[in-house]
Amino acid sequence: QSVVTQPPSASGTAGQRVTISCSGTSSNIGSNYVYWFQQLPGTAPKLVIYRNNQRPSGVPDRFSGSKSGTSASLAISGLRSEDEADYYCATWDDSLSGLVFGTGTKVTVL
Amino acid sequence: QVQLVESGGGLVKPGGSLRLSCAASGFTFSDYQMTWIRQAPGKGLEWLSHINYSGSTTYYADSVKGRFTISRDNAKNSLYLQMNSLGAEDTAVYYCAREFVVAPAGYFDYWGQGTLVTVSS
Repeated sequence: QSVVTQPPSASGTAGQRVTISCSGTSSNIGSNYVYWFQQLPGTAPKLVIYRNNQRPSGVPDRFSGSKSGTSASLAISGLRSEDEADYYCATWDDSLSGLVFGTGTKVTVL
Repeated sequence: QVQLVESGGGLVKPGGSLRLSCAASGFTFSDYQMTWIRQAPGKGLEWLSHINYSGSTTYYADSVKGRFTISRDNAKNSLYLQMNSLGAEDTAVYYCAREFVVAPAGYFDYWGQGTLVTVSS
């Protein structure tokens, strides 16, 4: 069982804004950067947010990240059908001396 | 362009061993840290192991410590994962990924397509 938790699902209609939470502890999110990955069905994950709130080149500015205390969030605004995917947060855990992924959130575009 | 291509997956019996490889191209392999991550069927992502650019520093998840060994050959631009004492719980797609920063952090900017390992009698 992961020490970093996400809601199992989130949904919205096209054009809406969806927010995914990532909840951890002082030893992981509270003291390290958070990264977000998008995994489309049948494909390898893709980095969409690094260092809490930075977007890699090529990732639309509809994707944004934030972090406060021991929680982080990924927001997708102007939701599009191609955003339908699984999303994972990730961060280093100082207590475990290992990297932890969140439990994952499936985003559905209604 | 950056490419990571995993190989070596397949069907193995419980208690058996397997060695995965990840061939890197399109970047200076010896400049980057590398990681193995797996995903069991229908499940989430699980970080397994990290190796620094020279191979002198490694980290492992508790679930594989003592059974799996990460290594690299910079002359061959290749990353490896030696997996021993395999059990059904090790059945998964195994991905290699490039870590963009020096210390393990989760900054995986490139991923391979994955190779499937199935542990079954």
